Amino acid sequence: GEDVEQSLFLSVREGDSSVINCTYTDSSSTYLYWYKQEPGAGLQLLTYIFSNMDMKQDQRLTVLLNKKDKHLSLRIADTQTGDSAIYFCAEGPGSGTYKYIFGTGTRLKVLA
Amino acid sequence: ETGVTQSPTHLIKTRGQQVTLRCSSQSGHNTVSWYQQALGQGPQFIFQYYREEENGRGNFPPRFSGLQFPNYSSELNVNALELDDSALYLCASSPRSDPYEQYFGPGTRLTVT
Repeated sequence: GEDVEQSLFLSVREGDSSVINCTYTDSSSTYLYWYKQEPGAGLQLLTYIFSNMDMKQDQRLTVLLNKKDKHLSLRIADTQTGDSAIYFCAEGPGSGTYKYIFGTGTRLKVLA
Repeated sequence: ETGVTQSPTHLIKTRGQQVTLRCSSQSGHNTVSWYQQALGQGPQFIFQYYREEENGRGNFPPRFSGLQFPNYSSELNVNALELDDSALYLCASSPRSDPYEQYFGPGTRLTVT
């Protein structure tokens, strides 16, 4: 079935690196995404990676994709208090569909 | 800077009523998707519209319907509201230049009592 799984919580100290992990099920997904949601707000697209790529770096963000294991990770370097939010992994669209599947989100708390 | 706006911000309705939520995306965004986000959950795909036609639907019943207009605005209509319809409703639009990028609005918080 369709499922995207993430751990619920992550706590790191300011200045450290954060690594948020995600596993997905649909190997036909074209892209894998990371979104950030702050309290009371919509989702902010952080970055996304084409399913044929292994890695993408964008300033403090590094995305790693292991397609064999259907595992996606987001590394945030030099984590700041402003990075505290919920991070959602998403996959899509899959073969023959325009559907995007989101995980339940990982709440990142950055301690000063 | 997404340029996607939604109205209203909050809404309270009674079970059995009907509701219309609105979304306005920016020029050049010809694809719009609607999502339902229950408290503590990730967004669930409702449907997508492209060039004013429904392009794909998630596991939502027919009482969830939508419209997309030529001026880049769209509507989500929900009939016969149920208590479980209480959620944050998000619209996301995609630019013609990169249909795989989705830019979300701030959402409409619907409470059904």
